[in-house]
Amino acid sequence: DAKTTQPNSMESNEEEPVHLPCNHSTISGTDYIHWYRQLPSQGPEYVIHGLTSNVNNRMASLAIAEDRKSSTLILHRATLRDAAVYYCILRKSYNTDKLIFGTGTRLQVFP
Amino acid sequence: GAVVSQHPSWVICKSGTSVKIECRSLDFQATTMFWYRQFPKQSLMLMATSNEGSKATYEQGVEKDKFLINHASLTLSTLTVTSAHPEDSSFYICSAAAPPEETQYFGPGTRLLVL
Repeated sequence: DAKTTQPNSMESNEEEPVHLPCNHSTISGTDYIHWYRQLPSQGPEYVIHGLTSNVNNRMASLAIAEDRKSSTLILHRATLRDAAVYYCILRKSYNTDKLIFGTGTRLQVFP
Repeated sequence: GAVVSQHPSWVICKSGTSVKIECRSLDFQATTMFWYRQFPKQSLMLMATSNEGSKATYEQGVEKDKFLINHASLTLSTLTVTSAHPEDSSFYICSAAAPPEETQYFGPGTRLLVL
């Protein structure tokens, strides 16, 4: 399985943009890039996913490098509720493939 | 949309008893659900893949006779921890794959404490 590498932790101030990086140098052509986040004592929450093109939704944006070996999750204006562990996960394009969680990035947001 | 529920949200039981945890997809049908376990300050660890109408597929090192999985309908999967022991105390989380892209949506988790 292709692996991802994320920083252990990052910090941000409230209302500032946050860029969470993820390296996946061994990504294959059939791997989608998924991002989840987990707030304390809760199940993970789906954030966004993409294959090649940049993606936007109401929660965040996903910027994917042209060679697909890295990606960045962008929170445009961090709030205190965005403090969580963010996981970048590769998943095959075929249906129902499992998700393998790494250690993720713990994001702290300061008021 | 894409809401997954779990019941109970927490449970305390005595050592040697069995505990059943339910996972339901509330607004979609899921042919595939997944069960994870998470210990404090650790990441999620996949335990098994639950397929509707067939046997679950367990990850290496997970005892299938101890963690019984039943996926009897397209909206319900259950995990039964049999003969629970204190080392089974953990946070159990399920997810369900939602069509059409089979994106996984997670339940809120069940905290199990075995005394």
